Parts: sequence; C-alpha cells; structure tokens
Amino acid sequence: QVQLVQSGAEVKKPGSSVKVSCKASGGSFSSYTLSWVRQAPGQGLEWMGRINPTPVKTNYAQKFQDRVTITADISTSTSFLELSSLRSEDTGVYYCARTLAFYGVAKVGVWFDSWGQGTLVTVSS
Amino acid sequence: SYELTQPPSVSVSPGQTARITCSGDALPKQYTFWYQQKPGQAPLMVISKDNERPSGIPERFSGSSSGTTVTLTISGVRGEDEADYYCQSTDSTYTYQVFGGGTKLTVL
Repeated sequence: QVQLVQSGAEVKKPGSSVKVSCKASGGSFSSYTLSWVRQAPGQGLEWMGRINPTPVKTNYAQKFQDRVTITADISTSTSFLELSSLRSEDTGVYYCARTLAFYGVAKVGVWFDSWGQGTLVTVSS
Repeated sequence: SYELTQPPSVSVSPGQTARITCSGDALPKQYTFWYQQKPGQAPLMVISKDNERPSGIPERFSGSSSGTTVTLTISGVRGEDEADYYCQSTDSTYTYQVFGGGTKLTVL
C-alpha cells in the first residue's frame, strides 16, 4: 500500500513562493505518476498538474501553467509542488495523490488511489 | 476547458436513496470516479470506473453510466454518509484530470 506524507503548514506573503513536498513509501516511486490537487476553503477539488518521474514528464492545468512547477527526486521518493507569485486566492489545502490509468477497449480512466494528508498554505500579508 | 457538472446539494432522510449525477461531454469515452470527502479529511474513492466498488466500500454505494451522465447511488443512506461527493474524469486527450464542482449530501 502506498503512503504519501506531506510537509507541514506554510504561511506566506503575497508575491512570494511556496514549495510543498510529498514523500512516498511503498511501491516503486519511479513508476508512479503523482498529481497535485488544491482545495480552497469551502470550495471543491481542483487538479493542478502531475509528474511522471521516469522519464520525467509533467502536465499542468491551464489555470496554473504560468506559476506552478512540479518536480520529483527519485533518490528520496519525494515530489515537490512549487507555486509562485502567491495571492490570497491561493490559500487552501494542497494534496498530492498517486495517479493511475487504465486503457480499456471502450473507455479510458485516470484516477487517484492514494492521497497525502494535505498541506495547508495560507497566503496573507 | 473540460467541465463536469454536479448538483450543489442533495438532501435525503435516513434509509432513503440518494442519487447524485455528474454530466460531461467526454464521459461516454472516459471512466468516471467518485470520491467522498468529510470535513478535514482527504478524499476517499467510493466508486471506480463508473460502477466498480473499491475494497472496503459498503454495498449501498453503486454507480451507473448512461451517455454523458453518470450517477452515484447511495441506497439506505446513513448519517455517516453525510459528506461532499465529487465526480472525477479525464479529458479526451487523457492528459488533464477534472473534478466536478462537488455535491453536498445532507442526511435530514
């Protein structure tokens, strides 16, 4: 069973950057795809992007394309989410999640089977 | 950008059946997954690939699909089922994942 443990809460000033980590145990990290999902206070889930560590490939949601960078360190089985130019609307809980895919004859599925505990990022002056 | 549409809220009495719908143009070609989220907790998958129940999920949870609409059905609703429910799928390029806006299930 995959376990994902995220770094602790952060408080940041508007205009700064934040870097959140997600350390995986169990399974083979180099074969994972890891996604990052955000949830603003009282709001829904929002997919931000994902990384496949080997070979390295990233995809980002258009909304975050200019401000987000997702990386992975295979040696420590850790993924990182960096979000720059922070504004108050970026306040929320950030989750990492292992991402799996199934390519069936009639349908394709991509889903999240294991989640980190979430990291609260607060952006405030 | 691709969107999935859910009703904001559904209310049922204990023991009744709750149905939560999710609509999206690509759903005939993409599987849908359903997650339950309770306050302060990470999401938990309750339905996989339109209608499969992951291990440990009670039998009262089921899913169905018809064209561009998928439905999560909770039969014999219990108080512990009160939560937010999100559908999730992928776009036609299999690159971008998307969540519905979420449905708050209230057990009266």
